[in-house]
Amino acid sequence: DAGVIQSPRHEVTEMGQEVTLRCKPISGHNSLFWYRQTMMRGLELLIYFNNNVPIDDSGMPEDRFSAKMPNASFSTLKIQPSEPRDSAVYFCASSLGGGRTYEQYFGPGTRLTVT
Amino acid sequence: QQQVKQSPQSLIVQKGGISIINCAYENTAFDYFPWYQQFPGKGPALLIAIRPDVSEKKEGRFTISFNKSAKQFSLHIMDSQPGDSATYFCAALGGADGLTFGKGTHLIIQP
Repeated sequence: DAGVIQSPRHEVTEMGQEVTLRCKPISGHNSLFWYRQTMMRGLELLIYFNNNVPIDDSGMPEDRFSAKMPNASFSTLKIQPSEPRDSAVYFCASSLGGGRTYEQYFGPGTRLTVT
Repeated sequence: QQQVKQSPQSLIVQKGGISIINCAYENTAFDYFPWYQQFPGKGPALLIAIRPDVSEKKEGRFTISFNKSAKQFSLHIMDSQPGDSATYFCAALGGADGLTFGKGTHLIIQP
């Protein structure tokens, strides 16, 4: 199994530009999570999908952030327009389970730098 | 509001010693408490987890101790090795949400 796949691994962009992060969950998993990691705030849950449906997006910082899951094997997290304070490592994780999810498998992350 | 408080922020232990990391939670609805291990440049990986119906769980050199009344749980790493050097996160899960993580502990095992 290839595990959770994220792309790109690194992204450097200028303030105001649109950024799209991509995730391919583990085949057969039906829950997908987007997290953001910073030194100041640690690991924060941004949004959680179950069976491709967004269940909880209360962690999405503001309207500049949006996430989609068009099918069971692909999800995107988009930031438009990006700001320097969005610089962080963004992780995607997937899990086999419904509303009560247990072991989550994390991808390698995308390190985003907004200048 | 920080729902899971983790300490210490950083920890240095001699090889062969015991590493202890503590966490406290507030939400009594939490019913699953995993620990994740993260190496530089990698995503967190599940290390060991416990449910509140038991007070201790051991897997190899790693043990979770759980105190439901105090709403605290801790990770003990016995015979700590340099390969254990990593960042450790406690977490909690309740309801239909994703995990709530502690801020992490940067552990260094000195040879």
